[in-house]
Amino acid sequence: EVQLVESGGGLVQPGRSLRLSCTASGFSFREFAMGWVRQAPGKGLEWIGFIRNKPYGGTTEYAASLKGRFAISRDDSKSIAYLQMNSLKTEDTGVYYCTRDPLVYDTAMKDYYYYMDVWGKGTTVAVSS
Amino acid sequence: QSVVTQPPSASGTPGQRVTISCSGSSSNIGSNTVNWYQQLPGTAPKLLIYSNNQRPSGVPDRFSGSKSGTSASLAISGLQSEDEADYYCAAWDDSLNGFVFGTGTKVTVL
Repeated sequence: EVQLVESGGGLVQPGRSLRLSCTASGFSFREFAMGWVRQAPGKGLEWIGFIRNKPYGGTTEYAASLKGRFAISRDDSKSIAYLQMNSLKTEDTGVYYCTRDPLVYDTAMKDYYYYMDVWGKGTTVAVSS
Repeated sequence: QSVVTQPPSASGTPGQRVTISCSGSSSNIGSNTVNWYQQLPGTAPKLLIYSNNQRPSGVPDRFSGSKSGTSASLAISGLQSEDEADYYCAAWDDSLNGFVFGTGTKVTVL
């Protein structure tokens, strides 16, 4: 069974750091890009960023509003993706989801596109003094 | 504030057809594929549609997606009580160099 399990959430004071982990199982981790999405209480989904797999350079992309504070990395030997969050603010409070991001060829558009096909159950981060 | 907009709510009676719109721009929906996600209360989002109109295995064919220009739509035919959820569209945005989610639509089954 394909599964993503997030961990590392909790209560943290403003200005501190936190690292979330996403442990994958049931598929070949190194063949997929991996991403993170968050959801503030009662709000919609917000894309955080993703990391490509090594054949595509292992490079990262981030939401402009979070670039510089958040960083995504991966350890293919352990099938784990990480989200390092620094200088946390109260508005970073929410549920953080890990996603598997396959690359698919669209015949109509004649191009390749990423999408988020598998989601973890999420881990809750609360930033408060 | 999202650059992709959806109506905040939609509703229908069991068996009806409900359509949810997703309006973007040339930098996102106009030039990339659209995906749709269903979020049941208290759970993680689940992929419903990818590449504008493709259903992953296990998703009922009551759910269908389409795209035209800078807009996309999700249709739910034969509405059932278990379809009561929040629905989000998403697309890559070439200007932002990242994914954007729609504002979300809450579907209520009357």
